[in-house]
Amino acid sequence: DIQMTQSPSSLSASVGDRVTITCRASQSISIYLNWFQQKPGKAPNLLIYAASTLQSGVPSRFSGSGSGTDFTLTISSLYPEDFATYYCQQSYTSPQLTFGGGTKVEIE
Amino acid sequence: QMQLVESGGGVVQPGRSLRLSCAASGFTFNSYGMHWVRQAPGKGLEWVAFISNDGSNKYYVDSVRGRFTISRDNSKNTLYLQMNSLRAEDTAVYYCARDQKSLVFEGGYSYFYYMDVWGKGTTVTVSS
Repeated sequence: DIQMTQSPSSLSASVGDRVTITCRASQSISIYLNWFQQKPGKAPNLLIYAASTLQSGVPSRFSGSGSGTDFTLTISSLYPEDFATYYCQQSYTSPQLTFGGGTKVEIE
Repeated sequence: QMQLVESGGGVVQPGRSLRLSCAASGFTFNSYGMHWVRQAPGKGLEWVAFISNDGSNKYYVDSVRGRFTISRDNSKNTLYLQMNSLRAEDTAVYYCARDQKSLVFEGGYSYFYYMDVWGKGTTVTVSS
């Protein structure tokens, strides 16, 4: 099974900050990596698929990069509505999928 | 607009059964594979099961295989999750999600899969 490890598990940041979240796969997954945002009490929302392709309607301040085992989600300038938990998810073994443990972005 | 609405959650004793439903609207349901994903209280997301668009292929996470059954009725635009022999660790919010694919060029064109439409979830609590 492919394990997905996110770091950090939580971070504190301010509006306007640049934020970077890392996701590491236990084996190479090429670019079969998706990112989701989840706000409390809500369903997850797809941000990025195929490691770097922005889902339609997602603001351009979100970007993804990486391939193989190491991936990054970057928020170039944090907005108030971006405080949420972010999950990576591998689709290399689709349709059997694995999520990372999540990174909670909190207000500093 | 595209919508998924889960129902059927509730409080159930360990060892009992429950069936969840997910009603789809706003898209051609029989063209898409579908997933169930769950989230235990205060925990992260866990993929549970997948069914292909025609119902011919099904996949499960190890922890539910043999206890849960995913199915669909394309004539009713509805996805199901039959959950038997429920355990306390099955307590979670259960989401259904649509499986989407896109062609992406990465040294050649390949399909990439992702969950692009989600329901709001239904809560299952397993407790005596």
